[in-house]
Amino acid sequence: GAGVSQSPSNKVTEKGKDVELRCDPISGHTALYWYRQSLGQGLEFLIYFQGNSAPDKSGLPSDRFSAERTGGSVSTLTIQRTQQEDSAVYLCASVVGETQYFGPGTRLLVL
Amino acid sequence: GENVEQHPSTLSVQEGDSAVIKCTYSDSASNYFPWYKQELGKRPQLIIDIRSNVGEKKDQRIAVTLNKTAKHFSLHITETQPEDSAVYFCAARASGGSNYKLTFGKGTLLTVNP
Repeated sequence: GAGVSQSPSNKVTEKGKDVELRCDPISGHTALYWYRQSLGQGLEFLIYFQGNSAPDKSGLPSDRFSAERTGGSVSTLTIQRTQQEDSAVYLCASVVGETQYFGPGTRLLVL
Repeated sequence: GENVEQHPSTLSVQEGDSAVIKCTYSDSASNYFPWYKQELGKRPQLIIDIRSNVGEKKDQRIAVTLNKTAKHFSLHITETQPEDSAVYFCAARASGGSNYKLTFGKGTLLTVNP
């Protein structure tokens, strides 16, 4: 089937607003990861889901960031009270074997 | 936790030359080392990976070497072509059950000049 998809592809928001980013993993993949990529930086791990549970949330930068996954499929990453430093590309990846397949990302710009 | 350092941050070569990118890692328990290629505006894509029970792996013009003792691994691209121009990321994953969390280097911008 299709690969990993994410929406929206671009999001511009004002400082202080909440945003919700969506990830549709490859069908049947039980593991899902969220990463953040800032300009000129590598990929920073945020959170990992196995099924609907999140055994590893160690990368979430602050309590303004949260994520959930329902039905073992779609995941949403929510950023509350966005700050300018939240501007980045947010990537999700789903896993088969050890290989992570990335989505196209959501480019978030906080003005 | 794991820390991955990647060098150089930028690399410019002439078409046909070889390119080498090097990474070091800190966690001796890491056992899986993938390399991703990210073209401008696109998603990272896996190009090659190596596991800690192997010292070298090749796939056509791309090869990766791993030195577990020194905790470093390298990507080698031979006969470079303009379409090889991209940002390359190395990563490391520590053995940890079902958690395949990857720690990435900061990337190398490779430019292949025609």
